[in-house]
Amino acid sequence: SQTIHQWPATLVQPVGSPLSLECTVEGTSNPNLYWYRQAAGRGLQLLFYSVGIGQISSEVPQNLSASRPQDRQFILSSKKLLLSDSGFYLCAWSGTPSQPQHFGDGTRLSIL
Amino acid sequence: AQTVTQSQPEMSVQEAETVTLSCTYDTSENNYYLFWYKQPPSRQMILVIRQEAYKQQNATENRFSVNFQKAAKSFSLKISDSQLGDTAMYFCAFDPYNFNKFYFGSGTKLNVKP
Repeated sequence: SQTIHQWPATLVQPVGSPLSLECTVEGTSNPNLYWYRQAAGRGLQLLFYSVGIGQISSEVPQNLSASRPQDRQFILSSKKLLLSDSGFYLCAWSGTPSQPQHFGDGTRLSIL
Repeated sequence: AQTVTQSQPEMSVQEAETVTLSCTYDTSENNYYLFWYKQPPSRQMILVIRQEAYKQQNATENRFSVNFQKAAKSFSLKISDSQLGDTAMYFCAFDPYNFNKFYFGSGTKLNVKP
């Protein structure tokens, strides 16, 4: 069966520090991968998605970036965090079109 | 452009009663899929139910069922015999097929009262 792992679960970082959140999927190959951000009590904002290694589509201009160095690995990064980067970050994967997205447990990021 | 609208930010229902959450969407696509996700306080995103647009029959999963009206572009979720564990945010999602991404509504916070 397929599983998705996302870490860390919580992270507290100072303004201006770098960021690296990692997501890996097991039990499937060539998944579509997604990064979302969710503000408290709000909906999901799609940040990046990837349909293959090295293929990244950005939905929202910001100081975040994403990379997919391996088929089942998706990384969300920033060189210098802003206060506005605080939120709950979710990674998700899906298989063929029409299949539901499956989500990781999320990372709660607090910027001080 | 694809948009998903959930017009009820928050709803309450008594335990054991039935509640319906609304969702409308806008698209020019003919083939697509619709989903409802549940996000409890733990913030895990859990798939509740899935509907294929080419199927006229409404999807059901135990106490959860949908009322899919393709012409009206409406996709409501009915929860029967509400339980305390149903307390969560509920998100409607639209997959326009071959777009490689979902479009989510803003969510409805459901509170089931004992």
